[in-house]
Amino acid sequence: AQTVTQSQPEMSVQEAETVTLSCTYDTSENNYYLFWYKQPPSRQMILVIRQEAYKQQNATENRFSVNFQKAAKSFSLKISDSQLGDTAMYFCAFVNTGTASKLTFGTGTRLQVTL
Amino acid sequence: EAGVAQSPRYKIIEKRQSVAFWCNPISGHATLYWYQQILGQGPKLLIQFQNNGVVDDSQLPKDRFSAERLKGVDSTLKIQPAKLEDSAVYLCASSFSPQGFSSYNEQFFGPGTRLTVL
Repeated sequence: AQTVTQSQPEMSVQEAETVTLSCTYDTSENNYYLFWYKQPPSRQMILVIRQEAYKQQNATENRFSVNFQKAAKSFSLKISDSQLGDTAMYFCAFVNTGTASKLTFGTGTRLQVTL
Repeated sequence: EAGVAQSPRYKIIEKRQSVAFWCNPISGHATLYWYQQILGQGPKLLIQFQNNGVVDDSQLPKDRFSAERLKGVDSTLKIQPAKLEDSAVYLCASSFSPQGFSSYNEQFFGPGTRLTVL
C-alpha cells in the first residue's frame, strides 16, 4: 500500500519570503504521479502542481516549484515570493497510474503567511 | 465552466440519525469520487464511480454508508445510522476520465459538506 508522509503539521512564512514544504512517500511502483493540493479555509481543494514520476525535470508553476527526488522518494514544494493568499492547508498526494486515479493524501501542512 | 456543486454545506445531526449529501459533478465528467476528510487528516477515498458503475468502494463502511449515481451524473451519499466518528467534511470530486483512457485525469473538488454528529 502507498503511504504519503508530511512531517510538518504547521509552518509560517513572512510575505515575500520563500518556504519549502516537505513530503515523502512510499511505493513499490515505478509509474505514478505526485501532486500538491491547496485547501484554503473555504475548503475548496485546488491542484497546485503535479509531477510525473518518469520525468526527471522538476515541475514549475509560476511561484510554485517542486524538488522531486525519485530515489529518495521525496517531493517537496517550494513557494517563492509568498503572498497572503497562499495561506492554506497544503496536501501532498500520490496516485499510481495503474489504480484508476485513486489518490492517497498526506495529513497536510498548515501554512500561514504573515505580514 | 461551473465547478463541482455540493449540498448542503453544513449539517448537524444527532447520532443514530440519517443524513444524505448530494453532489453534481462538472458536466461531461465520467468519474465521480466521494472522500471523507476528518479534522487534521487528509481526504480518504470512500467510493469512486465510473459513469454509474462503482470502480472502488473498498473503504466505504457498507454497514452504514451507501452511495449511488443514477444516470451517471449526480450522486448521493447516505449515512444511516450516523455515529460520532462520522463527523467530518465530505468532499465530492470529478474528473473527465472517459472509459478506457489510461492517463491520469485531474480531479476537481467541490466545496464539501461539513457534518457534525452530536
